[in-house]
Amino acid sequence: GENVEQHPSTLSVQEGDSAVIKCTYSDSASNYFPWYKQELGKRPQLIIDIRSNVGEKKDQRIAVTLNKTAKHFSLHITETQPEDSAVYFCAASPSGNTPLVFGKGTRLSVIA
Amino acid sequence: DTAVSQTPKYLVTQMGNDKSIKCEQNLGHDTMYWYKQDSKKFLKIMFSYNNKELIINETVPNRFSPKSPDKAHLNLHINSLELGDSAVYFCASSQGPRITYEQYFGPGTRLTVT
Repeated sequence: GENVEQHPSTLSVQEGDSAVIKCTYSDSASNYFPWYKQELGKRPQLIIDIRSNVGEKKDQRIAVTLNKTAKHFSLHITETQPEDSAVYFCAASPSGNTPLVFGKGTRLSVIA
Repeated sequence: DTAVSQTPKYLVTQMGNDKSIKCEQNLGHDTMYWYKQDSKKFLKIMFSYNNKELIINETVPNRFSPKSPDKAHLNLHINSLELGDSAVYFCASSQGPRITYEQYFGPGTRLTVT
């Protein structure tokens, strides 16, 4: 089955700097890659996703890139703000009803 | 107007007890899920139901039994609780079973087994 590795496990950046979180996956059939954000004590929420027919997707300060050949995808957050501090999860799945497999999360701390 | 709600929010119980967690969604979604998040924040799917039918059943001890009385509700019953069951359990729902639909998570139930 699918296996998703996520790095780093913790990341501290100064406010205004960029943050990059990287994930690799094992199943070449996977073609859907969402990112979820979980603030402290809160529920996970989808922030962005990308499908395998697209190499990059942007939404304001957040972007995700996908390299299907290398089987890795990354989350990029620019101009970080304190409210970006949270745990970020990547996930992967082949299409259809196959369940999402989550990475182990990255705790991002944005220092003001 | 909470989208996905769970009760209780906290549950503290002793080993060997049986407990239930309830989940309800008012989004009109067809698909509901149970996830377990352990102390290291690892998020793993346990079950998924679509229109009251079980469609995903990951490797979960059979002490865990989900029940979906209708497509707006998915409850989780746990028998003979063990220390290792301590975790946060999240219910989620999505428009349909295709994994590309956004999953909306509930607030979580923190289960502590002593």
